[in-house]
Amino acid sequence: DGGITQSPKYLFRKEGQNVTLSCEQNLNHDAMYWYRQDPGQGLRLIYYSQIVNDFQKGDIAEGYSVSREKKESFPLTVTSAQKNPTAFYLCATKLRTANQPQHFGDGTRLSIL
Amino acid sequence: DQQVKQNSPSLSVQEGRISILNCDYTNSMFDYFLWYKKYPAEGPTFLISISSIKDKNEDGRFTVFLNKSAKHLSLHIVPSQPGDSAVYFCAASARETSGSRLTFGEGTQLTVNP
Repeated sequence: DGGITQSPKYLFRKEGQNVTLSCEQNLNHDAMYWYRQDPGQGLRLIYYSQIVNDFQKGDIAEGYSVSREKKESFPLTVTSAQKNPTAFYLCATKLRTANQPQHFGDGTRLSIL
Repeated sequence: DQQVKQNSPSLSVQEGRISILNCDYTNSMFDYFLWYKKYPAEGPTFLISISSIKDKNEDGRFTVFLNKSAKHLSLHIVPSQPGDSAVYFCAASARETSGSRLTFGEGTQLTVNP
């Protein structure tokens, strides 16, 4: 979606290294989310944040960390503790009002060599 | 526990015909349902949504039906076009759930043949 930028599009890292995925938005949305997609599966929630300086774990938070120092930015760090980090990572944003859809960036494909 | 399930991994239809994609859910607290369309290596694009107070919502060629008693929703695309070929995800959220987090189905690959 326009207004949500994920970078880079493709990322390669060696095993054992931490890597940070960027998500920036100019939609003025309060809430931001990180999902992971694996082949043949739906999206699974890693972390989410409803407001600056606050975030909560999703269903598969182990091995990941996030920060929310600015409203526009919600970076995701994939740590060496994540056992199977190779996946397609998607960032989403949403207005805090009820019954509003989440809007997604174009994703980052992370491959661990 | 798969709370949102799309039982058909794939669906193939002819151009101009109707496409019907189905989704079942188990959590009775879900009160807002969405459909997303996704192309490979791109993020999902929001298509249409429905609140639990309604049983139908229409937007152009797309109609979503909700059957709360059966915990079932469906997306109808009429007429189907080759550009509709993509993976379709249904998703659900519960107002009482912190953060309006979405639970996604596994997706259905729709192929529209010219």
